Parts: sequence; C-alpha cells; structure tokens
Amino acid sequence: EAGVVQSPRYKIIEKKQPVAFWCNPISGHNTLYWYLQNLGQGPELLIRYENEEAVDDSQLPKDRFSAERLKGVDSTLKIQPAELGDSAVYLCASSFPDGNTGELFFGEGSRLTVL
Amino acid sequence: LAKTTQPVSMDSYEGQEVNITCSHNNIATNDYITWYQQFPSQGPRFIIQGYKTKVTNEVASLFIPADRKSSTLSLPRVSLSDTAVYYCLVGDKGGYQKVTFGTGTKLQVIP
Repeated sequence: EAGVVQSPRYKIIEKKQPVAFWCNPISGHNTLYWYLQNLGQGPELLIRYENEEAVDDSQLPKDRFSAERLKGVDSTLKIQPAELGDSAVYLCASSFPDGNTGELFFGEGSRLTVL
Repeated sequence: LAKTTQPVSMDSYEGQEVNITCSHNNIATNDYITWYQQFPSQGPRFIIQGYKTKVTNEVASLFIPADRKSSTLSLPRVSLSDTAVYYCLVGDKGGYQKVTFGTGTKLQVIP
C-alpha cells in the first residue's frame, strides 16, 4: 500500500515568489495534517482537515499561507508571497479519524529554500 | 495539552540497550504517551503508544510508572540504523497530534 505522497521534495525560490506543495494521503484516511518543521526542531501543526473541512487552522499564518483539500482527498498548501523565514520542511500526514492509536502517517516532506 | 521534557541528545554503542526518559508532570487522565522516530530527510514514524504500566512491540518497550508523570522508551540492542531523533508526545488519542513535537532526543549509535 502506498504511503503519504508529497511533491515536490525540494523547492528553491526567491523571496516574494509563490510556492505550492501537494499531498496525497493514504487511501481511506479522512484526516489530513500539514506540519512545518524548522531545522533542529520538531514538527509544528499548521492545519488539520477532517475530510474537506479545516477543523483546526489556528496556527496557520493566514496572511500568506493558504490550504485546501478539495473532495476530501488530496491537499495543497500554498505560500504567497514567500519570505526568507519560510525556509523549512513542510510535512503532510494522514490518519484514520477514530484510529485506535491516532497514529500519524507522514510523507517524506517538501523542503523549501527561500533565497 | 501536557508539556514534555526529554534529553536533547544521547550516545550509545551498538548492541546496548537504550532508555530515553520523558517527563510529563501535568499529564491528564485521558492522555496517552506516544513516541515517534524520525530519520534525516524523512517524516516521523510511529513507534509505540501506552497509557500505563508496560507496552511492548517488535520495535521497543514503553515503561510508564503508576503516577504516569514520566515514561521511558526502551530500545533493545540498538544498531547504527537506530540513529535518529525520538519524540515523546502526550495527549488524548484525538488530540496529541495537535501539539508541537518538541525538539526530541537525538540518539547517536556508535560502532
């Protein structure tokens, strides 16, 4: 069974440019998460979806970040415009909504470098 | 959500047992303790979860004392491939995913 798929794996852009990351969760996982991971730090939650509804976006910087999960499957995270401080790894994860452990399945991440 | 404290880093020789302790003094009644492992350039991977006493799976054991204010992840006979960052999270099954993972414990296994 395929895991969580993210693309692109690496992206280098200049500041003020837009960038988008795509995530395809594990089939049947209704819950999808976007995390931000800075170098040497643990992942920080940006947004959580239950199906197509964003149920927790309190930590998403809405002035420049946006996300969508059309049809409750794939999701896209966008940054516009990007700033130097946005350089980080953006991780997508998915899970069953009522799993026994609440286990998160992560993708390999998208590493963003803003010049 | 309960805050956790773990050592920043640990070193161990191959073949030894490694114990990583996590403190969570304000753990709530409904909270579980969950550990993840993360290799460089990969997303975290679920290792084990427990509520009390001892939990064991094919990868690790988790020891939780009666007061649940701390927990210990035990990795038997580590190998070089166990070099990774280990994160301890505390929260209910529907909530722990909402927290920051913290800085974790960087385990370096030495040949």
